[in-house]
Amino acid sequence: QKEVEQNSGPLSVPEGAIASLNCTYSDRGSQSFFWYRQYSGKSPELIMFIYSNGDKEDGRFTAQLNKASQYVSLLIRDSQPSDSATYLCAVNDSNYQLIWGAGTKLIIKP
Amino acid sequence: ETGVTQTPRHLVMGMTNKKSLKCEQHLGHNAMYWYKQSAKKPLELMFVYNFKEQTENNSVPSRFSPECPNSSHLFLHLHTLQPEDSALYLCASSQDLGGRSGNTIYFGEGSWLTVV
Repeated sequence: QKEVEQNSGPLSVPEGAIASLNCTYSDRGSQSFFWYRQYSGKSPELIMFIYSNGDKEDGRFTAQLNKASQYVSLLIRDSQPSDSATYLCAVNDSNYQLIWGAGTKLIIKP
Repeated sequence: ETGVTQTPRHLVMGMTNKKSLKCEQHLGHNAMYWYKQSAKKPLELMFVYNFKEQTENNSVPSRFSPECPNSSHLFLHLHTLQPEDSALYLCASSQDLGGRSGNTIYFGEGSWLTVV
């Protein structure tokens, strides 16, 4: 069964520090990888997607992909209290359907 | 505002009731989805429609019945639900089908369903 694994947390990070969120996946045929953010009581919203090995940067966010090791990570620099949310990792399968992780709850402490 | 609107936002229903969830997208997308989200569990894909045609039904019990009259509207009809069906039901849409690069999935705000 195809799976996407995330540490449920909560991950507590001081304000201004780097938050590092990790995700592993089981399907070696996966090609597209997505990070969504979900605030409490709200719906998920896309932060970034990545499909090539290496790093992709967008503002304070950096996605890192390592297909050989089957993991994708999200780094948040200069963490702010407004970054406190649950972060969902999603990976496509060979049918281009998304397989979702259960999410990591991130808490940024002022 | 994501361009995907769901109603009602909250619904409490008895196990013998019949109710419907409604979703409308204003983004001109071709694909629409129903997801179920339970606490501390991954999003569960329930149904997928592409150009009004159902392409996925992930072994969802028949007490959930989807309807897609056109590319902009999606319904989830609910009948004789069980307490374990209580969850957040999310409607979503995307330009094309599935998890392709750049094919962002936009979610509605969700409908919180409680079955008593």
